[in-house]
Amino acid sequence: GAVVSQHPSRVICKSGTSVKIECRSLDFQATTMFWYRQFPKKSLMLMATSNEGSKATYEQGVEKDKFLINHASLTLSTLTVTSAHPEDSSFYICSAPREAGTEQFFGPGTRLTVL
Amino acid sequence: GDSVTQMEGPVTLSEEAFLTINCTYTATGYPSLFWYVQYPGEGLQLLLKATKADDKGSNKGFEATYRKETTSFHLEKGSVQVSDSAVYFCALSRNQAGTALIFGKGTTLSVSS
Repeated sequence: GAVVSQHPSRVICKSGTSVKIECRSLDFQATTMFWYRQFPKKSLMLMATSNEGSKATYEQGVEKDKFLINHASLTLSTLTVTSAHPEDSSFYICSAPREAGTEQFFGPGTRLTVL
Repeated sequence: GDSVTQMEGPVTLSEEAFLTINCTYTATGYPSLFWYVQYPGEGLQLLLKATKADDKGSNKGFEATYRKETTSFHLEKGSVQVSDSAVYFCALSRNQAGTALIFGKGTTLSVSS
């Protein structure tokens, strides 16, 4: 099946710093990628839809200035958590469909811990 | 709007027991349905899928049948193993470009030997 990678897998940072998470589709092109946040023992919360070559679409309640998304190429989307705070600590997961509207392939996730 | 409801967990079973995790959905049109599994410390993996009514998805001994009349996609396995311990997510896709999956809240399965 298709492969989606994320980097880094884990990151620990100090409060107030910014952290960039990369999501790559390794063997297919993805015009659309999705960013989710998963809280402990909770389901996945869709944060935003990343669109190649255009602005991301954010879900209600997600601060676009805090969670910056850039989809600069057909294989790479980045999520930058700006001025991170402890409440931003979470598991961030990206996904991409190989074809529009079909099953999505998920990255392994990035565990962010903000001290 | 579209939604997925799955049974709350945790589900605790002994090895070789029968497993059912219920999932029902609300959607307009004809969605595709999925079960994803998340093992401890890992990302989500597609377990099985069904794209139209009466389709049966199966993988690793797990099965689920797309029932349009009951808007359900229950996950079953005849004999669970300790290695099946994970969180299971039911999800639907509206089969439209640019739309994300809609997930249920997840069901934690713990299997003991």
